[in-house]
Amino acid sequence: AQSVTQLGSHVSVSEGALVLLRCNYSSSVPPYLFWYVQYPNQGLQLLLKYTTGATLVKGINGFEAEFKKSETSFHLTKPSAHMSDAAEYFCAVRGSGNTGKLIFGQGTTLQVKP
Amino acid sequence: DAGVIQSPRHEVTEMGQEVTLRCKPISGHDYLFWYRQTMMRGLELLIYFNNNVPIDDSGMPEDRFSAKMPNASFSTLKIQPSEPRDSAVYFCASSLFQDSNQPQHFGDGTRLSIL
Repeated sequence: AQSVTQLGSHVSVSEGALVLLRCNYSSSVPPYLFWYVQYPNQGLQLLLKYTTGATLVKGINGFEAEFKKSETSFHLTKPSAHMSDAAEYFCAVRGSGNTGKLIFGQGTTLQVKP
Repeated sequence: DAGVIQSPRHEVTEMGQEVTLRCKPISGHDYLFWYRQTMMRGLELLIYFNNNVPIDDSGMPEDRFSAKMPNASFSTLKIQPSEPRDSAVYFCASSLFQDSNQPQHFGDGTRLSIL
């Protein structure tokens, strides 16, 4: 069965600093991996996804993530944090095949300090 | 393009009342999902539909919860009778061709408070 673990429920960085949000997954089949962002009082928005091909995936708002099969990881990074990046971030996995579900991590709240 | 539309955005009602949450998926999408989000349990998948047919309702917490999708452009999630522990944010999401790499698109949610 697929599962997702996000390390750190809260991450705090200073504006301009590197953002690193950690995600490890478990999957018995080649996974599809997603990062979503949730701003206050809004639904989840897709940041980026990995399906096949290039392991470094670029998304919106300057975020990127690298799929590392050997480490079963899909960490999210951004070189320089902006105040507007403060939100909750969710990593999700879906196994290939018709499972019909996204398995979400518990989420990481990113705080950006001025 | 219009995204996933949920109504109402906020609902406050008393315990024991019937609650109906509504969702209009993105036109052309053939999968629809209902989620519940709470601080304690995070994001939980309740049920999902493919071409208006319920595929997996294993996440529905109790018989008090029911969901329908009478046509491709409308779905409801009903709680009857409601209880304070049902208080949460309920999200609807839709996607196209579940077996592909297409992401799910989420609505803005319904914030439900049961007093």
